[in-house]
Parts: sequence; structure tokens; C-alpha cells
Amino acid sequence: DTGVSQDPRHKITKRGQNVTFRCDPISEHNRLYWYRQTLGQGPEFLTYFQNEAQLEKSRLLSDRFSAERPKGSFSTLEIQRTEQGDSAMYLCASSNAQAFQPYEQYFGPGTRLTVT
Amino acid sequence: GENVEQHPSTLSVQEGDSAVIKCTYSDSASNYFPWYKQELGKRPQLIIDIRSNVGEKKDQRIAVTLNKTAKHFSLHITETQPEDSAVYFCAASSTDYKLSFGAGTTVTVRA
Repeated sequence: DTGVSQDPRHKITKRGQNVTFRCDPISEHNRLYWYRQTLGQGPEFLTYFQNEAQLEKSRLLSDRFSAERPKGSFSTLEIQRTEQGDSAMYLCASSNAQAFQPYEQYFGPGTRLTVT
Repeated sequence: GENVEQHPSTLSVQEGDSAVIKCTYSDSASNYFPWYKQELGKRPQLIIDIRSNVGEKKDQRIAVTLNKTAKHFSLHITETQPEDSAVYFCAASSTDYKLSFGAGTTVTVRA
């Protein structure tokens, strides 16, 4: 499968614990995005990277959230001191800014986080 | 920021009939409008998109129309089939990176 992959697919954690998710984009894509999706809603933009540079962060991304893309390939999203309100599906997407169609974003299967 | 509203929230159609989903957006600078299909437990899949310099785009049984003056765009699915049952999301963007999504429409195609 050459699409966007995410790991783990499911994560259950206790409130107050830290969690880290990984996203591997489509190999030739230089842009990587993180979105959050809660039940019955569309995805909400959290942040994005062009290569290794994090270029924008949503106000939804509190200081407990940190994202990295150290070598411009895979990315990690860490949530510290998780809260029940963090329970959601965390989606990663990627795109190729140099492509003829740079806007097209392709999503991974998501990581479903449940905070108990 | 951009606000996208999507209607209806649920839609049930008889197999073979057409389905129409409508979205409105608030930011007049938005210039890219994709539609995603999300089946239960699966990733959102891009099914069609349109840019602001085009009024209509068609791909087999699906089509999207855009009215920039009214700031609304619609998805049309003709000759619906059971495999069209899914949640459909519209989105809008005024940049080339940030998508603002609607709340989704659950489409059920009755056999």
C-alpha cells in the first residue's frame, strides 16, 4: 500500500498520560498535515509541515500538543497530559506542493484516541 | 476564518435516483473546493474537486457545481448505487494547505 499510513490505529490511554502517534506520508509528498475529527463532524485542521518546517498551527493545538517532522519524511504528533476532550480520530494527510495539483490532500486511516 | 455549512446532514435515496448535497462557505477568497467520501471506519477519500475558475466539473456519475457569487457549491450523484452509501464531506480553502470541512452528510442508498 503506497498511501498514507498511520500508527497505531487505535490508542486507549488514561487521563494524564502522554501519547505519540506516527504518520508516514506518500513518499514523494513534501507536505504533511494533521487534522482532528470528532464524532459527527468533519476534520479540523491542526497543523502542517512543508518538508521539515512546521508552517502553521491552529489555535486548536494547545501547548500540550507538539508535532515534529525531523527529516521531512514521517511525522509524529504527541499529546502530553491527555484529557478526555482529546478523544478523537487524528488524521494525517499529505500532498505534493510541486505537483500540477498541489491542493490535493490524501488522508491516512487515522488514529482513534480514547482517553479514559 | 472560513466557515463551511453542509446540508442535509442525512440523505436517504432509492437506488438509481440522484443525490444532491449542498455547501455554503463564508470566505470569498476561497478558491478550492474538494469533496471527500468516508466509509465507516475508513479514511476520507478525495472523490472530486473544483477550483474557483470553473463552474462545473463532472466525473462519471458525480458532478460538482460552484456558484462564487452566492458562495455555494454542490455535489450531485446520479444513478446511485449501494456502494455510494457513505459520509460525504465538502471542504473549502483559500490557501493551498488548510482545508475547512463541513459537518458531513450521511448518504444511505436503499436497494
